[in-house]
Amino acid sequence: DVKVTQSSRYLVKRTGEKVFLECVQDMDHENMFWYRQDPGLGLRLIYFSYDVKMKEKGDIPEGYSVSREKKERFSLILESASTNQTSMYLCASRGPYNEQFFGPGTRLTVL
Amino acid sequence: GESVGLHLPTLSVQEGDNSIINCAYSNSASDYFIWYKQESGKGPQFIIDIRSNMDKRQGQRVTVLLNKTVKHLSLQIAATQPGDSAVYFCAEMDTGRRALTFGSGTRLQVQP
Repeated sequence: DVKVTQSSRYLVKRTGEKVFLECVQDMDHENMFWYRQDPGLGLRLIYFSYDVKMKEKGDIPEGYSVSREKKERFSLILESASTNQTSMYLCASRGPYNEQFFGPGTRLTVL
Repeated sequence: GESVGLHLPTLSVQEGDNSIINCAYSNSASDYFIWYKQESGKGPQFIIDIRSNMDKRQGQRVTVLLNKTVKHLSLQIAATQPGDSAVYFCAEMDTGRRALTFGSGTRLQVQP
């Protein structure tokens, strides 16, 4: 089975802090994704990567950046966390037939 | 912009009944569709997918129907069980874009 893991299940940070969310997949997938999930808004795509060192903006990239130094790892970075970035963050990895597999999520609270 | 939506935000069914969750999509270029199940506190779990060259696909207790003419997708769950209670999302993809677009979800509540 595909396994997508995220470094933290719950995270509490203060406004202005730099925040790193890590995601690792073990299936050698080329494509990886970061979403945020908010009540009533569903999942919204922040960034995705289709290869090492390659990245592409999603629908809501403002306030975020990403890093893909190794194929198995895709990091989401909040350069200066703000309260409106309090959310559930979900990482996904895409298989060869386009199916996406999700990690368990990181619930981030910014105070 | 293009979006994926759901007709019903909450669906309540009796245990043992069949459930039907509907989804409308607006991107006529979408050629791949997925249904996900998300339980409280967990990430979305892949249920079943369908490509635009098909109109029906069956899995274990689940069937997805695709009507490209009216841009409509549905998930049918046979003999619904309490463990099926969750939020269900449809998602569509234009493979030229590589990323999925999700609907806001339908909550399925199974009454014992």
